[in-house]
Amino acid sequence: QVQLQESGPGLVKPSETLSLNCTVSGGSISSYYWSWIRQPPGKGLEYIGYIYYSGSTKYSPSLKSRVTISVDTSKSQFSLKLSSVTAADTAIYYCARGSIAVAGAVGSIDYWGQGALVTVSS
Amino acid sequence: QSVLTQPPSASGTPGQRVTMSCSGSSSNIGNNYVSWYQQLPGTAPKLLIHRNNQRPSGVPDRFSGSKSGTSASLAISGLRSEDEADYYCATWDDSLSVVIFGGGTKLTVL
Repeated sequence: QVQLQESGPGLVKPSETLSLNCTVSGGSISSYYWSWIRQPPGKGLEYIGYIYYSGSTKYSPSLKSRVTISVDTSKSQFSLKLSSVTAADTAIYYCARGSIAVAGAVGSIDYWGQGALVTVSS
Repeated sequence: QSVLTQPPSASGTPGQRVTMSCSGSSSNIGNNYVSWYQQLPGTAPKLLIHRNNQRPSGVPDRFSGSKSGTSASLAISGLRSEDEADYYCATWDDSLSVVIFGGGTKLTVL
């Protein structure tokens, strides 16, 4: 059974960079779109972006200028960095596995981490 | 405001059948698979339906999905109290090149 676990600071200061890691266990990190999704408290889901094990990435247009997703296949980990954060970036951040519909396009999100609450506050 | 439109709420009584809709456009639902997710309070979302109407292993057949043109629907039959949750539709958007989610429908079991 594939499992994903987020880790990282729960509190980040405004204007700083949010950093989270996701460790994948129970399966290979190859051949899927490893994704980050966030959910502000009491609100809906927002897709941030994904990385393929080869290193290719796609980011949400609304966050593209501030987001970097990277992968370390040797550790079965992938990571999220979001720069210049504001209070609007306060959310539960989920790492997840995306299936491949066609090349470049995510089909569905079939495994999710439990989520990590990140609060942006001074 | 979400690219995919879902009604904010739905309700039903135990045993009833409820449906919820998800409306999009030709660049998303019209050209890609739709998936549905159930989010119980305080938990991560769970995949309920993928490829428009396919249930992952372990999902009861009370849950069914369909798609027609640029809209999709989720139906729950034999409603149970434990079905009370938020339900999200999602698909790929060819114009945005990203996964998009609906705003979610909060299901209340009366």
